[in-house]
Amino acid sequence: EPEVTQTPSHQVTQMGQEVILRCVPISNHLYFYWYRQILGQKVEFLVSFYNNEISEKSEIFDDQFSVERPDGSNFTLKIRSTKLEDSAMYFCASTPGTSGGEGETQYFGPGTRLLVL
Amino acid sequence: LAKTTQPISMDSYEGQEVNITCSHNNIATNDYITWYQQFPSQGPRFIIQGYKTKVTNEVASLFIPADRKSSTLSLPRVSLSDTAVYYCLVGDQPSGNTPLVFGKGTRLSVIA
Repeated sequence: EPEVTQTPSHQVTQMGQEVILRCVPISNHLYFYWYRQILGQKVEFLVSFYNNEISEKSEIFDDQFSVERPDGSNFTLKIRSTKLEDSAMYFCASTPGTSGGEGETQYFGPGTRLLVL
Repeated sequence: LAKTTQPISMDSYEGQEVNITCSHNNIATNDYITWYQQFPSQGPRFIIQGYKTKVTNEVASLFIPADRKSSTLSLPRVSLSDTAVYYCLVGDQPSGNTPLVFGKGTRLSVIA
């Protein structure tokens, strides 16, 4: 069964450093998402992406965050200058988008655990 | 999006049927009900989705009464590997190209 993959599985960085989290969505999916989950808390939506542009973003997704689809397969989340509170699991998800969204499942990747020191 | 309420945690023995109920009193006409499962340190995984009555797949059943103000996820004969957090989500096409809004979920612990 096709699946969303994410790299790295773990990332440790110093505060103020830039990090790039990578995702390979399921082939032929059209909608892509990033979510995060701070330890012990809810899964929170960050951003959705369709047709090479951001569709929707949450309040969390401020100027420090950016997303990109640099080629036909990768989907990246960049945090420009990390803060301690950015420590979390970051999940990528995708949906086919072929039926206009109705009843479609979002497929999540295994996540990247980011630790900012 | 309709607010959902579900138990914080549940315990069950292996082999038992587990029913997790979610209340969503303000559900709108266009809203679907979707359940996701999350194992520790993994991403959420879609389990089942319904609009009304009963839906069944190879993993679970979803019971939705006529007024749709609640729903019950039923897991038949759970095993230790069903230990996870289960989320009830309600919204207009919530599993489509719409961002998912997760609550705190129900933490199910299956005991041998």
